[in-house]
Amino acid sequence: QLQLQESGPGLVKPSETLSLSCTVSGGSISSGNYFWGWIRQPPGKGLEWIGSTSYSGSTNYKPSLKSRATMSLDTSKNQFSLKLTSVTAADTAVYYCTRASEFDYWGQGILVTVSS
Amino acid sequence: QAGLTQPPSVSKGLRQTATLTCTGSNNNVGYLGAGWLQQHQGHPPKLLSDRNHNRPSGISERFSASRSGNTASLTITGLQPEDEADYYCSAWDSSLSDVVFGGGTKLTVL
Repeated sequence: QLQLQESGPGLVKPSETLSLSCTVSGGSISSGNYFWGWIRQPPGKGLEWIGSTSYSGSTNYKPSLKSRATMSLDTSKNQFSLKLTSVTAADTAVYYCTRASEFDYWGQGILVTVSS
Repeated sequence: QAGLTQPPSVSKGLRQTATLTCTGSNNNVGYLGAGWLQQHQGHPPKLLSDRNHNRPSGISERFSASRSGNTASLTITGLQPEDEADYYCSAWDSSLSDVVFGGGTKLTVL
């Protein structure tokens, strides 16, 4: 059974960079033709797709976040990561990692608060 | 802002049938279909149905998805207390090159 687990700081200062990792167990991120992605959910609000990336190197980002988001895979650690630059309070959310494109496996989520 | 339109709330009685709708456009729901997610408070979303209306292993047959034109639907039969949750639809939007979600429907089982 595939399992995903997010990790990273829960508090980030405004204008700094948010960095999260997702460790995958029970399967390899380099097998199959899957995308691996990030979705966030501001407190009390709905879901927002951030982007996804694949082992083949294909990456898609939400257009409004494209200038600030970077995703990558580390096959040696079976992890994928998200970096989001120049964060503001509007980036405060629970961040989920997920197997795209169908979103069939999810991590438990990590709350990231942007505050000084 | 939500790219797909879902009713904010639906209330139905125990053992009744609820049909949740998700309205989009030719560029998203009408293009490749919509997936459905269930989210209980404080938990991550769970996939109920993919864009091709396939249920993942372990998902009850009480959940079934369909599509007519630009509107996707999720039907839940024999409502149980544990079905009370938020339900989201999602789709790839070819014009935006973006994954869009509905705003979510809060299902209450009376």
